[in-house]
Amino acid sequence: EAQVTQNPRYLITVTGKKLTVTCSQNMNHEYMSWYRQDPGLGLRQIYYSMNVEVTDKGDVPEGYKVSRKEKRNFPLILESPSPNQTSLYFCASSFLAVSETQYFGPGTRLLVL
Amino acid sequence: SQQGEEDPQALSIQEGENATMNCSYKTSINNLQWYRQNSGRGLVHLILIRSNEREKHSGRLRVTLDTSKKSSSLLITASRAADTASYFCATGGYGQNFVFGPGTRLSVLP
Repeated sequence: EAQVTQNPRYLITVTGKKLTVTCSQNMNHEYMSWYRQDPGLGLRQIYYSMNVEVTDKGDVPEGYKVSRKEKRNFPLILESPSPNQTSLYFCASSFLAVSETQYFGPGTRLLVL
Repeated sequence: SQQGEEDPQALSIQEGENATMNCSYKTSINNLQWYRQNSGRGLVHLILIRSNEREKHSGRLRVTLDTSKKSSSLLITASRAADTASYFCATGGYGQNFVFGPGTRLSVLP
């Protein structure tokens, strides 16, 4: 089944403790992206990647890192999480570029204490 | 920066009625897409309309695009309780970023 998977789905952590949220797609998509969703603000793009080893900042990249070593995986890294990063995070992928249909993962709900 | 802005923020209708949501945006776009989200779950793509198209249909969905007014509308006809969800418009520009609006929360009452 074609899908985007994220792990973990739920995470509670403390300020400053490094964490990684994994994202994987099995559709051979070139483009992958991370978003955070906060009430009243919709989805805001954090980082995106057009291909392996090619990443770029979205609208809200501060406090996040990403890497794209393999086509299928695009992990989101929070080196030193802070409470303002408490949010619902979504990974998405599309075949070639952002202008095509994006397929979303189920989301990761993060609480930073 | 916010690009797509949906209107209204919330909408309540009776089953069987039509629901119309609007989206406005600020800059030139390559395409505009509508997505649905059920209660904090992942977004599901509904329909994509390109900048050179004016209207598109998919089942009970009808999307229009007016590039001169920088606006789009999503019409859901003969709504059902299962249509209860949040609906987002998203604009794809000529760069590689992608911008979502804050969404319209639709409630369809039985």
